[in-house]
Order: sequence, then structure tokens, then C-alpha cells
Amino acid sequence: EVQLVESGGGLVKPGGSLRLSCAASGFTFYTYTMNWVRQAPGKGLEWVSSIGSSSNFIYDADSVKGRFAISRDNAKNSLYLQMNSLRAEDTAVYYCVRGFEGFDYWGQGTLVTVSS
Amino acid sequence: DIVMTQTPLSSPVTLGQPASISCRSSQSLVHNDGNTYLSWLQQRPGQPPRVLIYKISNRFSGVPDRFSGSGAGTDFTLKISRVEAEDVGVYYCMQATQFPRTFGQGTKLEIK
Repeated sequence: EVQLVESGGGLVKPGGSLRLSCAASGFTFYTYTMNWVRQAPGKGLEWVSSIGSSSNFIYDADSVKGRFAISRDNAKNSLYLQMNSLRAEDTAVYYCVRGFEGFDYWGQGTLVTVSS
Repeated sequence: DIVMTQTPLSSPVTLGQPASISCRSSQSLVHNDGNTYLSWLQQRPGQPPRVLIYKISNRFSGVPDRFSGSGAGTDFTLKISRVEAEDVGVYYCMQATQFPRTFGQGTKLEIK
């Protein structure tokens, strides 16, 4: 069974940093593109970042470029999102998502709240 | 960026009746490889999204056959043949033809 379990969310002050993790199991992690997608409270879905199976490509949304960094460790079946210079508008549930041409499995999400 | 526009944004439906959601993209979703990477996602209240349909019309594993997708180019439709109570939630279309990946605004399906 495919499982994606996010962790690392919490309350952080504007300008602060946070690192999200996603533990993957139930599939051959190193063969899949992985993604982060976020959802602000009561709002729709926003793609954040994608990383290729061997970290061969990385794409970021303009809204996070230069502040967020996606990475992965295939030996640990883990995906990460380093978030720096956080802003109030980054407040959202962050989902770890599998897939390239389609997002087929989603984690339960981890809530990031940016507030003073 | 490709803009995805869904209509309607809210859809009150009677149980057992059909429902339909439209999604229009600002440019063609046909990829260079010939595929069209248009998906439909369902998000039930309090749950993460899950994929229903991928590449326009392919049902994902475990998705009931009352869900169907159709369309081509820039115009796509999700149909539910007979709405059940468990179908309540928000439905999103999403394109994965090019980066950045983009989603529609979401259509809230509710029971009358």
C-alpha cells in the first residue's frame, strides 16, 4: 500500500524557517517524481515544487522561488521541503504528492502557520 | 502559465441525479508526446485530494464507474451518472502537460 506521511509543520514567525519531511513507503520511491502541493485555509490547491526521480530536475512555483528548496534522499525514501523567509501567505496545509503526468497519491498533509 | 477555469463553482444536486463539471484550459493540453495530461481530483470534507480520472478519461484504481471524463484540447468534462451522498466535496481539474502545474478553482458539489 502506498503511503506518504508528512511531518515538520507547525507555527513559525514571519521571516522564519521550517523543514518539511515526507516519508514514503509501499512503492519504489526512487523511480517516481515527487511534488509538494499546498492548500491555504478554505482555499484551492496550489502546486509548489516538483523534483525528478534522481533529482535530475527541479521546478518551483514563482511564489516560492528563491525561498523554498525541494530535495529528496532516495536511500531513505524521503522527500523534503526547506522553507525560508516564510510569509503569512505561506500558511497552508502542505501535501506530499507522487507523480509526474498526474498526481496519483497524496499524503494527509502537514499544517504550516506563519504568524507573529 | 496555463489557467484552468471550472464551471460551475457550486453545484447543488439531488441524490440519484447526474452532475457535470466543466473545465477549460487557456491553451491546449496536448503534450508533445501526444498525450493530454488532464486529471480530475476529488476532495471530501476534511480529507486530502484523491485522483479520480487521469489523461482525460482514465478512471484511477478503485474509482466507481459512475465517474467519467471526456474532452479534448482545451475543453473537458467530469460527469457523475448518479450522485451518491459520498460524492459530496470539492472537485478540481488539474493539468500536468507543462510546468507550472495548475489547478482549477474547484467546484463544490452539494446535495439539495
